[in-house]
Amino acid sequence: GNSVTQMEGPVTLSEEAFLTINCTYTATGYPSLFWYVQYPGEGLQLLLKATKADDKGSNKGFEATYRKETTSFHLEKGSVQVSDSAVYFCALSRNTGGFKTIFGAGTRLFVKA
Amino acid sequence: DTEVTQTPKHLVMGMTNKKSLKCEQHMGHRAMYWYKQKAKKPPELMFVYSYEKLSINESVPSRFSPECPNSSLLNLHLHALQPEDSALYLCASSQSTGRDGYTFGSGTRLTVV
Repeated sequence: GNSVTQMEGPVTLSEEAFLTINCTYTATGYPSLFWYVQYPGEGLQLLLKATKADDKGSNKGFEATYRKETTSFHLEKGSVQVSDSAVYFCALSRNTGGFKTIFGAGTRLFVKA
Repeated sequence: DTEVTQTPKHLVMGMTNKKSLKCEQHMGHRAMYWYKQKAKKPPELMFVYSYEKLSINESVPSRFSPECPNSSLLNLHLHALQPEDSALYLCASSQSTGRDGYTFGSGTRLTVV
């Protein structure tokens, strides 16, 4: 079946550190891949997306590249800020008689000043 | 307008009450979704509406009853809920295929007493 596995958190970093959150997926065909971010007390926000192999999604300094050969979509940011503290969800979307998005377990990021 | 609006933001209800959650979007999206999110967990899909028709029901108990009166509105009717139904209920919308990601509302925090 379709699934998403992402690294367990929490991840604690100092401000301006480099961030990587690993994400791998299992799916047939060619799913779309996403990273969503959820700030405390809020809903999810789409952070970036990639719809085909080798696409790079980017937004607000975050990047992720759709790697079909390694079935991965790792999230990276060169220099994190305290305001990046949130929960990050990797997700995939497949058409299974209606589009469904499957979420990973989420990775909580804490950034210290 | 690039928002999904959910009301109410907070709801406390007894196990014998009937209440409704409301969701509205004006982005011209033709797919709408209800998700349930427990603390420190990813969202779990409940229902998908595509072009105002129910296309996916993830075996949700009948005490949850969705309704899509038109392409902009989505309701979730609640009746005879259990304390374990307490959660954050998220509404989302997308283009019909869902391949470009979802726009989420900020959710309704439901407590069943």
